[in-house]
Amino acid sequence: DIQMTQSPSSLSASVGDRVTITCRASQTINNFLNWYQQKPGSAPKLLIYAASSLQSGVPSRFSGSRFGTDFTLTISSLQPEDFATYYCQQSYSMPLTFGGGTKVEIK
Amino acid sequence: QVLLVQSGAEVKKPGASVRLSCKGSGYSFSAYYMHWVRQAPGQGLQWMGCINLNNGDTNFAQKFQGRVTLTRDTSINSAYMELSRLRPDDTAKYYCARVPPQYYDNSGHLGTRWMDAWGQGTLLIVSS
Repeated sequence: DIQMTQSPSSLSASVGDRVTITCRASQTINNFLNWYQQKPGSAPKLLIYAASSLQSGVPSRFSGSRFGTDFTLTISSLQPEDFATYYCQQSYSMPLTFGGGTKVEIK
Repeated sequence: QVLLVQSGAEVKKPGASVRLSCKGSGYSFSAYYMHWVRQAPGQGLQWMGCINLNNGDTNFAQKFQGRVTLTRDTSINSAYMELSRLRPDDTAKYYCARVPPQYYDNSGHLGTRWMDAWGQGTLLIVSS
């Protein structure tokens, strides 16, 4: 199985901060990497697919990038509604696997 | 709009089985896959398996092989996940998620797409 190692597991940030979350795959997954946002009590929501494509309706302050087997989700200017938990997920091969999650909290 | 509506919460005893449903609307149901993901209280997301809604082909995580059955009824745009031999550690919220068909990337690798719509989740509690 492909392991997805996400870091940090949590972070504290202020509104307006630039936030970066990293996900490392245990083997090559090309661009088969997706990012989701989950707020308490709600289902996950797709933010970024295929490493860097922005899902329709998602604000442009969210972006994704890839360097080898390392992937990054960046929020350019954190907004109050962005405080949530973020997950990466590889869709290169079955079984699909998720990273452990990054909880973004208010500083 | 695309909507996935899941069945209500369930409470089951250890050893029992449960069948959860997921009804899609607002799109061509059979043109997609349906994936099932669960989340134990306070924990992360765990992929369980998926079904091709067009032909019924399934794929499961090894952990759930033999305990999970995925089916669909395209006449009513519904997918089902049955989990048998329930244990207390099956207590979790179970989500269905829509995934478009697989695709070949620029290198020729056939991979899965992304979960672009999710149900609201069904809470399953397993307790004696």
